[in-house]
Amino acid sequence: AQSVTQLGSHVSVSEGALVLLRCNYSSSVPPYLFWYVQYPNQGLQLLLKYTTGATLVKGINGFEAEFKKSETSFHLTKPSAHMSDAAEYFCALNTGNQFYFGTGTSLTVIP
Amino acid sequence: DADVTQTPRNRITKTGKRIMLECSQTKGHDRMYWYRQDPGLGLQLIYYSFDVKDINKGEISDGYSVSRQAQAKFSLSLESAIPNQTALYFCATRGQGARNEQFFGPGTRLTVL
Repeated sequence: AQSVTQLGSHVSVSEGALVLLRCNYSSSVPPYLFWYVQYPNQGLQLLLKYTTGATLVKGINGFEAEFKKSETSFHLTKPSAHMSDAAEYFCALNTGNQFYFGTGTSLTVIP
Repeated sequence: DADVTQTPRNRITKTGKRIMLECSQTKGHDRMYWYRQDPGLGLQLIYYSFDVKDINKGEISDGYSVSRQAQAKFSLSLESAIPNQTALYFCATRGQGARNEQFFGPGTRLTVL
């Protein structure tokens, strides 16, 4: 069965600190993995995606994620948090026809 | 102009009423999806469609129905709304190919009293 687990429903970081949002997946076939961001009162926007090839993927707004098959993980990082990064973040898995979403991580950035 | 639009953006209705949420897209994608979002639960798939003649149930289709009127339009209906269906509803589209991401509309906030 396919599934996505996001560890930590709420994460708080200080402005300028490292952002680390965790995502683990379960898949019986090679996965395609995505990170989305949702700002208040908006739909989801794609941050980055892993399909094949390079395991370190760079996205928009300075975010990046590394696909680690051995750990079944796809954690999202950003070296220095900005106030504008405060949002809900979703990890998603696609193995064919359907997407499987994690339950989301709400990121708070403390000034 | 937005690639994926949803109407209405907000709706308050009463228990037992029929309501339709509409989604239109200009991306030319064949695949369209309806999700509902509840706090702490992430996104749950209600229905999805791979073309006009193809409709598939998702994980929480009970109490909902859909219509794919054209490639660009995908509507979600609640035949008899109940308070438990109060949620944020999103439409999404995707091009063919498993590597492609989904593109989301801005959402419809539905309240059933």
